Amino acid sequence: NAGVMQNPRHLVRRRGQEARLRCSPMKGHSHVYWYRQLPEEGLKFMVYLQKENIIDESGMPKERFSAEFPKEGPSILRIQQVVRGDSAAYFCASSPPIVGYGYTFGSGTRLTVV
Amino acid sequence: KQEVTQIPAALSVPEGENLVLNCSFTDSAIYNLQWFRQDPGKGLTSLLLIQSSQREQTSGRLNASLDKSSGRSTLYIAASQPGDSATYLCAVSHNTDKLIFGTGTRLQVFP
Repeated sequence: NAGVMQNPRHLVRRRGQEARLRCSPMKGHSHVYWYRQLPEEGLKFMVYLQKENIIDESGMPKERFSAEFPKEGPSILRIQQVVRGDSAAYFCASSPPIVGYGYTFGSGTRLTVV
Repeated sequence: KQEVTQIPAALSVPEGENLVLNCSFTDSAIYNLQWFRQDPGKGLTSLLLIQSSQREQTSGRLNASLDKSSGRSTLYIAASQPGDSATYLCAVSHNTDKLIFGTGTRLQVFP
């Protein structure tokens, strides 16, 4: 059981470029969550997805950010036209469809915008 | 709106001490509460999960309690070790939905 896999671990982008962050949930987990941790701040919820469905995107910035969890393949968090303020650690978590079993987090992707 | 607060924000203790980390939340209608550990530059490791119907959970030297009605949880670490140095986060959820994290307690245990 490889756990929640995130890649890349580190990503450097120039302002205006696109960033794509990938997350493969644990085997048997069908729920995926993305969180962002800004420097010296706590983790903030961004989006909650199930296969082919966005369940809750109340924490996603209204512009430039999007997320998907296709039927096949990993979940993708996409940031278009990145700005310096997007520099942060982005964590993915997954949980099983059975209620109350908690969440397992990946190691995160650290995005640096230069 | 749920708010989660952790006290103290930072703690530095000598090896061997027993510790209590505190977590409080404003909305007691939680589904469960989870304690995590985060090492610098790393991801989160789940330590203990307490369902809303439970009072406490134990794992090794760690014991977490939950008083849902008063909106409080404590994480007790017995006989602390330098390897326990990390940031400890508590988080609550209201169902299978998102986690709402506390501000964290940065713990340093020195030899």
